[in-house]
Amino acid sequence: GAVVSQHPSWVICKSGTSVKIECRSLDFQATTMFWYRQFPKQSLMLMATSNEGSKATYEQGVEKDKFLINHASLTLSTLTVTSAHPEDSSFYICSASNRGDYGYTFGSGTRLTVV
Amino acid sequence: DAKTTQPPSMDCAEGRAANLPCNHSTISGNEYVYWYRQIHSQGPQYIIHGLKNNETNEMASLIITEDRKSSTLILPHATLRDTAVYYCIVSAGGTSYGKLTFGQGTILTVHP
Repeated sequence: GAVVSQHPSWVICKSGTSVKIECRSLDFQATTMFWYRQFPKQSLMLMATSNEGSKATYEQGVEKDKFLINHASLTLSTLTVTSAHPEDSSFYICSASNRGDYGYTFGSGTRLTVV
Repeated sequence: DAKTTQPPSMDCAEGRAANLPCNHSTISGNEYVYWYRQIHSQGPQYIIHGLKNNETNEMASLIITEDRKSSTLILPHATLRDTAVYYCIVSAGGTSYGKLTFGQGTILTVHP
């Protein structure tokens, strides 16, 4: 089946630094990937839609200059949290559309803690 | 995308069938019904999806009403490992994959 690999699975960083999270589709090409954020005891909130070779589309209220998304190839999208602050601590999850029987496949998520 | 309504929580005895309902009364003709589940601190796991016909796979069955305004996910023999948050989502499918917008889902607790 379709597999999406997300790395790292967890990261701790200091306030003011930047963190990059990678999302890879391992056995299929994904022209579209999605990035979500999930706070404790809450549902997933869509942050942005990432399209290969073009600028990402951000949901209302998501700062595009803070959450930089790059989708340079059909198998890789990255999310960079710039100048991270404690309130950015969250569970970040990516997903990819494989346009096949599985619809959308999700990565295992990245737990970001900003100290 | 059409919104969905699910009960916030449900209980089920191990070995029994778990029937999780979902209302999606504003679903449009090109929108599929997707079911995902999320076990604590993991990414959502795909379960099943359908357009208008009932669907079955190795994990579950999906029953969609004829008017497509509601559906039921059936886990035929629930186990303790099926304890998770179950999300019902409607989104455009086929050749134009729309984004998935998650609601609050149903917390299913399977007890011995």
